Amino acid sequence: AQTVTQSQPEMSVQEAETVTLSCTYDTSESDYYLFWYKQPPSRQMILVIRQEAYKQQNATENRFSVNFQKAAKSFSLKISDSQLGDAAMYFCAYRSPYTGANSKLTFGKGITLSVRP
Amino acid sequence: GAGVSQSPRYKVTKRGQDVALRCDPISGHVSLYWYRQALGQGPEFLTYFNYEAQQDKSGLPNDRFSAERPEGSISTLTIQRTEQRDSAMYRCASSLMGGEKLFFGSGTQLSVL
Repeated sequence: AQTVTQSQPEMSVQEAETVTLSCTYDTSESDYYLFWYKQPPSRQMILVIRQEAYKQQNATENRFSVNFQKAAKSFSLKISDSQLGDAAMYFCAYRSPYTGANSKLTFGKGITLSVRP
Repeated sequence: GAGVSQSPRYKVTKRGQDVALRCDPISGHVSLYWYRQALGQGPEFLTYFNYEAQQDKSGLPNDRFSAERPEGSISTLTIQRTEQRDSAMYRCASSLMGGEKLFFGSGTQLSVL
């Protein structure tokens, strides 16, 4: 079974600075998807960024980028030019590429990010 | 609909009562998932459907929990004889068949008194 670990429960960043959120995972599969989801105080689940394991290039979405290290099974999220609206809980998640019983998302416990003005 | 719709938004019930939580997925989305999220924790998988077929119910904690999707669209998660430990946010998500992106609803916050 796949597991996702987010070992930092909380982080803080100064507005306009850069912060990196860590995530590691364990799997025996060679192909899979990785995601970062944002959960603001409203408790919506918002997809921030995704990465296909077969792609070597790190995904980027505006101020958000990932550092995907497949051999190390590491998937960190970098937020550049942090904004007050980035304050939220962030979840790392893993998904097998296959349909059927293995297609569920497995989430980490999350990290709470606060942004200091 | 434009997004995944869940109802009710909030549900307060007394211990021992049954509750039914509804999920209306995005039109055309074949796959539907139920998750449970305790405060300060990550979502925990409960069960999953493709069309009307329940593909995986390994996450249902015990036999008080059940889910159905009889016509392959709307799904209902039922909790019988609720207990205080059932209190949590229950989230539904949907996706295209084999689609890697899951779209989440706003959730139902269940409180069992």
